[in-house]
Amino acid sequence: QKEVEQDPGPLSVPEGAIVSLNCTYSNSAFQYFMWYRQYSRKGPELLMYTYSSGNKEDGRFTAQVDKSSKYISLFIRDSQPSDSATYLCAMSAGGSQGNLIFGKGTKLSVKP
Amino acid sequence: DAGVIQSPRHEVTEMGQEVTLRCKPISGHDYLFWYRQTMMRGLELLIYFNNNVPIDDSGMPEDRFSAKMPNASFSTLKIQPSEPRDSAVYFCASRKLAGGYNEQFFGPGTRLTVL
Repeated sequence: QKEVEQDPGPLSVPEGAIVSLNCTYSNSAFQYFMWYRQYSRKGPELLMYTYSSGNKEDGRFTAQVDKSSKYISLFIRDSQPSDSATYLCAMSAGGSQGNLIFGKGTKLSVKP
Repeated sequence: DAGVIQSPRHEVTEMGQEVTLRCKPISGHDYLFWYRQTMMRGLELLIYFNNNVPIDDSGMPEDRFSAKMPNASFSTLKIQPSEPRDSAVYFCASRKLAGGYNEQFFGPGTRLTVL
């Protein structure tokens, strides 16, 4: 079992839809949970960051972490064509440990 | 700040040739990471450095791959000899040690094709 599992999609939705993206993980030491967005032929960019369990909202985006279930989610409200990208979850145990463990990414397409 | 800089952006080479990828991290960052991204395997960490010292190279696929960081502003990833299965996008990323928060800033990537 990989440390982080993410459905690669692709996921296609109409403009204005609510999008739900998810990852599961197996390492209970993970404390920091991130969502990166990667546009075609670009490097990943940090979109949302959450520490431990709970919710975090930023505009149309909401990140949720359920450590008891080892499950994280990213919700996009009122999705726009500009949200079309690959979304990668990433997580780490934090502290001085440098590396992140990434999911494979979910490719999202929002149709006008 | 210019962000993480990678060169070349595209590289096409023939099997057996040596390939060198270059990275300039963001000034002041303590960590530098090399990743490889493919459709099949996603984003894989190859190696990372802290203060120019390699910390974990367990992701380097085999001895054909080597990485160096001679100073805080430059790193190379070398593949010798290259093989078609090395075709991928290679990303460099850097971060600054700041408590537990671990945002990594990625470069634009080098798209490598080995024929």
